[in-house]
Amino acid sequence: QVQLVESGGGLVKPGGSLRLSCAASGFNFRHYYMNWIRQAPGKGLEWVSYITSSGSSTFYADSVKGRFTISRDNAKNTLYLEMNSLRADDTAVYYCVRDRAEWELPSHFDYWGQGTLVTVSS
Amino acid sequence: DIQMTQSPSSLSASVGDRVTITCRASQSISNYLNWYQQKPGKAPKLLIYSSSSLQSGVPSRFRAGGSGTDFTLTISSLQPEDFASYYCQQSYSTTRTFGQGTKVDFK
Repeated sequence: QVQLVESGGGLVKPGGSLRLSCAASGFNFRHYYMNWIRQAPGKGLEWVSYITSSGSSTFYADSVKGRFTISRDNAKNTLYLEMNSLRADDTAVYYCVRDRAEWELPSHFDYWGQGTLVTVSS
Repeated sequence: DIQMTQSPSSLSASVGDRVTITCRASQSISNYLNWYQQKPGKAPKLLIYSSSSLQSGVPSRFRAGGSGTDFTLTISSLQPEDFASYYCQQSYSTTRTFGQGTKVDFK
């Protein structure tokens, strides 16, 4: 069965950095677009970033552009999110989310990890 | 960015009620609209994709439709397990956006 397991969350000071990882299993990872989506405590869902199956194209929400970098290692079935210049308003649960296969249309988020909490505080 | 606006933000209902949630896009998104359900402390779950297609395993009491800028999600007969938050999400643009959510709770 499809599994997405995030890791790397924790407490970090404002201005600091953190790298999230997502280990994927149960499907052919290299053929799927992938996303990071976050949810601040008590708030709604915010899409953060997505990456195409090959990793050749990436897209970001304006709120994280220039600070966050999404990447993937298809040989290791792993998705990453490098987060720099972290701010208090980046505090959230970060979900690793599967998107469409490269031969499918349209996009939709069909499998979600359990999430990892990132807290930015001094 | 395309803005997604849901209404209402919250509603109170009883088991057996028919519930309708609306989602409006700030520009036309064709049928590139998905719906998710989220229960407290859990990850969201895909209910509907491409405006009206029911995700595998989702009960048929969930119906949805719309095109362009206006969309609806209807639960025909609310069940105890349906009390949750619901989010719409557009996949028309490369920068995806969610609605702010609708919380459905017990009357």
